[in-house]
Amino acid sequence: ETGVTQSPTHLIKTRGQQVTLRCSSQSGHNTVSWYQQALGQGPQFIFQYYREEENGRGNFPPRFSGLQFPNYSSELNVNALELDDSALYLCATILDRDTQYFGPGTRLTVL
Amino acid sequence: GESVGLHLPTLSVQEGDNSIINCAYSNSASDYFIWYKQESGKGPQFIIDIRSNMDKRQGQRVTVLLNKTVKHLSLQIAATQPGDSAVYFCAEIVMNRDDKIIFGKGTRLHILP
Repeated sequence: ETGVTQSPTHLIKTRGQQVTLRCSSQSGHNTVSWYQQALGQGPQFIFQYYREEENGRGNFPPRFSGLQFPNYSSELNVNALELDDSALYLCATILDRDTQYFGPGTRLTVL
Repeated sequence: GESVGLHLPTLSVQEGDNSIINCAYSNSASDYFIWYKQESGKGPQFIIDIRSNMDKRQGQRVTVLLNKTVKHLSLQIAATQPGDSAVYFCAEIVMNRDDKIIFGKGTRLHILP
């Protein structure tokens, strides 16, 4: 086990709604990244937070936003949900050396 | 451009045989390559990594080979077991500001009894 946890495990929303996903690590680290994984695809980088500030961003619109807290837990917020936002959302944190370890993910379904 | 691709989407291997999963990458600036295993309903699990200044690295039952000349990466799994059934992703990282991981689409490894 990586010690990286995510909540909730599954979530169903409707178009136009907003959602907040959460991530935490047993041994906190100052870097957390979020990825979106559509069915049958590899994960796609959304953004990374370092010391509570956004440190890099992939090709995702501004309605995808995040927060990192002093205890290194993190949130991913998505506004104005679209059907194509249905995916597995993964967070990753660095636990040793430079390796990013992933949580189990949150499965989001947008109807 | 940045891309990591895989040659085969599905690989079927007899239990006990060795598995070889191949991957091509296009970014010659990549510093670091990782193989992840993803089982159904779970997040990607780190298997093994290799730095760009190496050409081979061995772990427990797994070996990663890196050929920078042809931008090719492979994962070898010795004595494949039923528990090895999963989707395998190669991924690359350019060590810069955000160290984002660039994943390929994945290869599904199917173990035949």
